[in-house]
Amino acid sequence: SQQGEEDPQALSIQEGENATMNCSYKTSINNLQWYRQNSGRGLVHLILIRSNEREKHSGRLRVTLDTSKKSSSLLITASRAADTASYFCATPRGAGNMLTFGGGTRLMVKP
Amino acid sequence: DAGVIQSPRHEVTEMGQEVTLRCKPISGHNSLFWYRQTMMRGLELLIYFNNNVPIDDSGMPEDRFSAKMPNASFSTLKIQPSEPRDSAVYFCASGSAGNEKLFFGSGTQLSVL
Repeated sequence: SQQGEEDPQALSIQEGENATMNCSYKTSINNLQWYRQNSGRGLVHLILIRSNEREKHSGRLRVTLDTSKKSSSLLITASRAADTASYFCATPRGAGNMLTFGGGTRLMVKP
Repeated sequence: DAGVIQSPRHEVTEMGQEVTLRCKPISGHNSLFWYRQTMMRGLELLIYFNNNVPIDDSGMPEDRFSAKMPNASFSTLKIQPSEPRDSAVYFCASGSAGNEKLFFGSGTQLSVL
């Protein structure tokens, strides 16, 4: 079973609007990561937030983490058509740097 | 750095044939992962190697699947015999100790007819 579940499964917005994706997970974690996947490509790491952080920024990305609710959100501000992709949250699992990925949110940004 | 390199990019085979997928991790990385992605099941972790040793293979679907890592720069995932339900995109990813982030290859799109 997947540790993280994204919501919504699909999101369609106009260029310039903000996009918010949510991730819920089940067990205690020490960090949470977000990845992006363009169609036909591998996943690319976007940002990592640690359990002692509530919010983190990277360019147009803003990630929040609420460990009490076991949830995280990814906000993309001023979206562009090039942001069209699937976005996945990932949580640590087991030994080393193993990760479990959620089901993803498919984002479409219309020009 | 060329990143994680996977081959082939696409593979079409007939049911019952042996399939071998290949991966070259990023130089210096000591963790290697094989994932499978399908619409129905999403991204599933198949196997995790650390320093060339299999650490967790609990995600390997069945005995038809096997993975090896003979050295730090090469890994294979073999399916023998292949079945139509094995059709998926198979990703290899690598990482380094002390860094939680993973780097993914472009994947192998496998179609078993």
